[in-house]
Amino acid sequence: AQSVTQLDSHVSVSEGTPVLLRCNYSSSYSPSLFWYVQHPNKGLQLLLKYTSAATLVKGINGFEAEFKKSETSFHLTKPSAHMSDAAEYFCVVSDGGGFKTIFGAGTRLFVKA
Amino acid sequence: DTEVTQTPKHLVMGMTNKKSLKCEQHMGHRAMYWYKQKAKKPPELMFVYSYEKLSINESVPSRFSPECPNSSLLNLHLHALQPEDSALYLCASSQGQGEGYEQYFGPGTRLTVT
Repeated sequence: AQSVTQLDSHVSVSEGTPVLLRCNYSSSYSPSLFWYVQHPNKGLQLLLKYTSAATLVKGINGFEAEFKKSETSFHLTKPSAHMSDAAEYFCVVSDGGGFKTIFGAGTRLFVKA
Repeated sequence: DTEVTQTPKHLVMGMTNKKSLKCEQHMGHRAMYWYKQKAKKPPELMFVYSYEKLSINESVPSRFSPECPNSSLLNLHLHALQPEDSALYLCASSQGQGEGYEQYFGPGTRLTVT
């Protein structure tokens, strides 16, 4: 069975400092992994995805994530936080066998001025 | 056009009402999804349609009834809901169903059951 764990429910950073949102997954297959962002009272927007190509994936708005099979991790990073990055972030694993998407519990990112 | 639209944006209904949520996409996607999202929680999958056929039903109560009239439209019919059904209902679509396909989400319908 596949699962995904987001290691922090809340992360707080100052504007201009790096962002790290942590995600570990469990999968019997070679998984597809995604990061989505959700601003308050909005739908979800895809930030980036990994589908067994390059292990370092670049996404929108300066975000990137690195797939590390040995650590079963897919952490999301950004070099410099902006106030507009304050939102909820979801790490998602795609269950190829059952055709389901499995969401992590989410990490709320706060950005201080 | 990479947009998924949902109507209405907000809906307030009584427990004896019948209402419908509508979702539309014009990206040629062949898979469409309904999710329910409670406050401060991740979305929970309710239904998946693939090529206009229901492929996944996550044991959702029968007071929720999905319908896929064509490849661009997805409806969710609501009847005799309970207050605990109040939530944000999200629609999504993807090019196909399965591993590797990213989903595009609509803005959601905020449902309140009184």
